[in-house]
Amino acid sequence: DVKVTQSSRYLVKRTGEKVFLECVQDMDHENMFWYRQDPGLGLRLIYFSYDVKMKEKGDIPEGYSVSREKKERFSLILESASTNQTSMYLCASSFPGPEQYFGPGTRLTVT
Amino acid sequence: AQSVAQPEDQVNVAEGNPLTVKCTYSVSGNPYLFWYVQYPNRGLQFLLKYITGDNLVKGSYGFEAEFNKSQTSFQLKKPSALVSDSALYFCAVRDIDRGSTLGRLYFGRGTQLTVWP
Repeated sequence: DVKVTQSSRYLVKRTGEKVFLECVQDMDHENMFWYRQDPGLGLRLIYFSYDVKMKEKGDIPEGYSVSREKKERFSLILESASTNQTSMYLCASSFPGPEQYFGPGTRLTVT
Repeated sequence: AQSVAQPEDQVNVAEGNPLTVKCTYSVSGNPYLFWYVQYPNRGLQFLLKYITGDNLVKGSYGFEAEFNKSQTSFQLKKPSALVSDSALYFCAVRDIDRGSTLGRLYFGRGTQLTVWP
């Protein structure tokens, strides 16, 4: 079975802090994705990556950056956390099949 | 542009009755279509996909989905609902004819399914 893990289930950070969210997959998948999920808005794509050191912006990249130094690990970085970044963050991976496999999510609260 | 619409925010059904969750999509080329389920405070779980072939696809937990190309729809169905099916359901589409963004999915906003005893 595909396993996607995220470093924290719950995080509480203060405004202005630098926040790292880590995602690791164990199936040698090429593609990895970061989404945020907000009530009534569904899933919105922040960034994705097709290979090590490669990244592409999704629909809402502002205020975020990513890092993919190893194939199995994809990190989401909030350079200076703000209250409007309070959300559920979901990581996913895929390939060769088209379906994506998701981690359990990190619920981030910025106060 | 790619998009998915789930016209119902909420669907309520009695246990033992059939359930249907609606989804329509828009892509410029041919679609791959997916259904996912999310239980409270959990990530999304893959249920089923349509790639090609038979318009009725079967997935996990007794769910199936019907692809209708002329209506650009992909409806999720189950013949007999269970209380444990209560969850948030997402439809997603991928345009297989696009270039560099072959991997990304476009999700609907989700439909909350409640099955009452």
